[in-house]
Amino acid sequence: DQQVKQNSPSLSVQEGRISILNCDYTNSMFDYFLWYKKYPAEGPTFLISISSIKDKNEDGRFTVFLNKSAKHLSLHIVPSQPGDSAVYFCAAINFGNEKLTFGTGTRLTIIP
Amino acid sequence: NAGVTQTPKFQVLKTGQSMTLQCAQDMNHNSMYWYRQDPGMGLRLIYYSASEGTTDKGEVPNGYNVSRLNKREFSLRLESAAPSQTSVYFCASSAGEGSVTEAFFGQGTRLTVV
Repeated sequence: DQQVKQNSPSLSVQEGRISILNCDYTNSMFDYFLWYKKYPAEGPTFLISISSIKDKNEDGRFTVFLNKSAKHLSLHIVPSQPGDSAVYFCAAINFGNEKLTFGTGTRLTIIP
Repeated sequence: NAGVTQTPKFQVLKTGQSMTLQCAQDMNHNSMYWYRQDPGMGLRLIYYSASEGTTDKGEVPNGYNVSRLNKREFSLRLESAAPSQTSVYFCASSAGEGSVTEAFFGQGTRLTVV
């Protein structure tokens, strides 16, 4: 049972525009949500996170929004840059068992 | 600061062979994880260890065993490799115990079973 889902396998965005990546989850017990970025032949690297008690967290060009009632979070990147081209994974953790669950990923391509 | 170190980086096995993937972290983290990444499947959790001395199954544990040797090391063993275990394997660690910190990943092990 996929508890964290990313329904868009790929997304293409013009450089300078906003990229919006989406993620849905089914487990209401998740305490914390994270976004990771992954380049080919490298391990995933942390990008930004949000606690389940908040609805927004911003860090430079990156903003994560959480809608708990809809069990949905999104990552906004603005303005998008060519170096943002990568696979993005959302993840969620339940502090009760420390189980960190990832989604299937979205490949973002920024078009120059 | 090395972070999370995985060995080996690449491995080719014949069906039925066994091997152990090693993972070590130097951040004094409590929680450690093993994931596999397959096309279209994202990162799937194989096993995890919330603290030294404990291990738990993730989403896809069949065909694998793990050992949390000490706080630093968490190994993944394939007792009898199968072609379906061809994948890229990632080890990760995090502070755990409810700490609000991210998990750090190793560089990955690309395993091919022929």
